[in-house]
Formats: sequence, C-alpha cells, structure tokens
Amino acid sequence: QQQVKQSPQSLIVQKGGISIINCAYENTAFDYFPWYQQFPGKGPALLIAIRPDVSEKKEGRFTISFNKSAKQFSLHIMDSQPGDSATYFCAASGHLLYSSASKIIFGSGTRLSIRP
Amino acid sequence: GAGVSQSPSNKVTEKGKDVELRCDPISGHTALYWYRQSLGQGLEFLIYFQGNSAPDKSGLPSDRFSAERTGGSVSTLTIQRTQQEDSAVYLCASSLATGVGQETQYFGPGTRLLVL
Repeated sequence: QQQVKQSPQSLIVQKGGISIINCAYENTAFDYFPWYQQFPGKGPALLIAIRPDVSEKKEGRFTISFNKSAKQFSLHIMDSQPGDSATYFCAASGHLLYSSASKIIFGSGTRLSIRP
Repeated sequence: GAGVSQSPSNKVTEKGKDVELRCDPISGHTALYWYRQSLGQGLEFLIYFQGNSAPDKSGLPSDRFSAERTGGSVSTLTIQRTQQEDSAVYLCASSLATGVGQETQYFGPGTRLLVL
C-alpha cells in the first residue's frame, strides 16, 4: 500500500515531442507528489511537485496532471529537448504517515532519452 | 556549504572489509536520509534521522549496515564485512522537517561503492 508504481521504465522521444511518464499510488493518505530529475553521476533534484487539491501544475515546459479519484499522476514534458535526457522519479509522501519529516516513497524511475 | 556533500565520491574495497561513508547535510536541516541506488535502478530507502535519532531504520538490508548521526549534522553509514552485492551508489539527502510535510529532499552526489 506504500508503493508508487511508475511507467514506463524507459522512454525514447524525438526532439520537440511530448514525453509522458505515469505513476499510480494506493495510499490515500499521501498528500504531496514531487517529481525528481537525475542526471548521470548526480543525485536526484526536485523538478516540480503538486498537492492533491489541484488537478494540474505547470512550470515552463513541465506539467504535472493529477487524478485524485484514479490515484494517478503524470509528468508531461512539452517540446522535449536533448538536455531533458535523464532519469525521472515520481514520489509521494504524507506528513500524517511518517512523524514530522517527509519520508518520501519513490517510484522505480524512468530513463528518458530525447533523440536530436 | 551550499548543498549536501558526501565523501568519498568513489570507494573500491575488497570483499569482507568494512567501509564508512560520510554525509554532510545542508546546515539547519534536521532530517537526513540514506538511500541506495543500484545500477539503473530506483532509490532504495535505508534509514532516516530526525536530529540524532533514527525513528525509521526499516530499510537497512542486514545487520552489517549501521548509521549514526552526531550533533544533528554529519552522518556516517557503515557497512561491515562488505559483500559484492553491496556495490551501489549510496545517496544522502536532507530536508528541513518543518512537520507539515511537503518538504523537498536535497540530495548529495552520492558515493559509488565497488566491492571486489
């Protein structure tokens, strides 16, 4: 019930196309859904995050779509660029679940490659 | 420092030897996390510290793994009698832990451990 399921495992998109990564969760106590981006040889870094009281959040070319009833959320990268090639992790946390700090449950990751 | 730092950046050791991995969190961050990332895999939670105490050690894979944190700052992850399956990137993250969730975890660059 604490899992976050992420798909696809890997994704190849042409430059200028739309990259879409999907995640699903079970525990309705999750109340924060961040996406992290990781470049080779680096640690993950927060990309964008959403709370379940909104259905969409957009920051530049990156958009999170959130479907509370389906317990699913997705990352859309518009006009994908070669510099977007990285591994993307969806995640979920719930402050009521894990003491005072946010223990984050990560998805398994999606390796995104943008072809020039 | 400006971010989370980890040392060493790379460690090669022989099977059966003990290793110590160090994490310096962002100043003022009370929460500290250790994760393990095997090649091409997701993030495996190991342990979480709130201050100097570890309320969640559920991810430690065996009793060969231990961690401590002193002065609410630096943390050390120790692996005793290393095995080849311990080879991975060990990532450390820290967060403010305000108690209301939705906190960003800031990751270090990781320590790449290779057990021969």
